[in-house]
Amino acid sequence: QVQLKESGPGLVQPSQTLSLTCTVSGFSLTSNSVSWVRQPPGKGLEWMGAIWSGGSTDYNSALKSRLSISRDTSKSQVFLKMNSLQTEDTAIYFCTRHWSFDYWGQGVMVTVSS
Amino acid sequence: DVVLTQTPPTLSATIGQSVSISCRSSQSLLDGDGDTYLNWLLQRPGQSPQLLIYSVSNLASGVPNRFSGSGSETDFTLKISGVEAEDLGLYYCMQATHAPLTFGAGTKLELK
Repeated sequence: QVQLKESGPGLVQPSQTLSLTCTVSGFSLTSNSVSWVRQPPGKGLEWMGAIWSGGSTDYNSALKSRLSISRDTSKSQVFLKMNSLQTEDTAIYFCTRHWSFDYWGQGVMVTVSS
Repeated sequence: DVVLTQTPPTLSATIGQSVSISCRSSQSLLDGDGDTYLNWLLQRPGQSPQLLIYSVSNLASGVPNRFSGSGSETDFTLKISGVEAEDLGLYYCMQATHAPLTFGAGTKLELK
């Protein structure tokens, strides 16, 4: 059964670094790509970046300077790190299986506030 | 970046009514491999997005056949033939033909 589950801190202070984990099951990260998508409260969806099945990454140019996506295939985990957080980064963060977009995690709400 | 323009932004419908949502792209979404990577998602209140339609017109697994998608190049339509209460929520088109992946702003389907 395919599942994705995001985890991480619910509250991050401004200027700090956000670290999130997407733990997947039911499929292999070496055969599937994973994207991170975020949604500010009451707003639409924004693609942040992806890690491809081969291990390379692509990022939204608007976030590229602050964002890093990596993975641990042995643990079936994908990691997101984003630095210099501001209040505008407050959002629900989702991971999803890229290309198919058939499975999404339940999302994790991250609030940037002091 | 590819801009996807969805209309209308809000749609009021009665149960059983048929409705359509339009998604227009600023560039052709026909990929060099011959596929068109235009999908439709539904996000119910408080839930994650759910895939409804992929590659313009293919119904995702488990999705009722009252949903259908059509279109080509830059103009795409999602049709719901007989709205049911569980269909209420936010509908998004998204494209994965051109990097970066982009989403439309959404269409809110509500009960009239």
